[in-house]
Amino acid sequence: EPEVTQTPSHQVTQMGQEVILRCVPISNHLYFYWYRQILGQKVEFLVSFYNNEISEKSEIFDDQFSVERPDGSNFTLKIRSTKLEDSAMYFCASSDSRQYWVGSPLHFGNGTRLTVT
Amino acid sequence: GENVEQHPSTLSVQEGDSAVIKCTYSDSASNYFPWYKQELGKRPQLIIDIRSNVGEKKDQRIAVTLNKTAKHFSLHITETQPEDSAVYFCAAPRAYKYIFGTGTRLKVLA
Repeated sequence: EPEVTQTPSHQVTQMGQEVILRCVPISNHLYFYWYRQILGQKVEFLVSFYNNEISEKSEIFDDQFSVERPDGSNFTLKIRSTKLEDSAMYFCASSDSRQYWVGSPLHFGNGTRLTVT
Repeated sequence: GENVEQHPSTLSVQEGDSAVIKCTYSDSASNYFPWYKQELGKRPQLIIDIRSNVGEKKDQRIAVTLNKTAKHFSLHITETQPEDSAVYFCAAPRAYKYIFGTGTRLKVLA
């Protein structure tokens, strides 16, 4: 069964540094997402992406965050200047339809655990 | 608002008993409701989903019921086993995203 893959699995960085989290969505999926999960808490929406554009972003996704699909397979999340409170598990997800009308599940990657020191 | 309310936050049951987790959503246009299971340190994995044109769906020991009038949907696990112990999240669509509930930590006691 095809899977969403994420790299790295762990990333430790110092406050103020830039990080790039990478994702390869399932190949025939068109809708891509980033969610984050602070330890022991719920899965929080960051951003959705379709047709090389952001469809929606949350309040968390401020000017320090950006997403990009640099080629036909990768989908990246960049945090320009990390803060301590950015420490979390970041999950990439993809789906094959615009679920609001059709209904299609999100398929999650294994996540990147980001630790900001 | 955009919240999906989920209850209870923790649930302990004896092995073999049933477990029920309930979620309430706010957007009456929502038409698809998935449930995810997340084991410690792992990704959320889809276990069952339901579309708004049906009231119930069953897959072996797991079932989901939907009450569109009341805007709530529930996960039912029967004959629970220790391997059912995990955190369960419901989700509901809203615009271009899914909103997740706050999670239920299910502990099945052997």
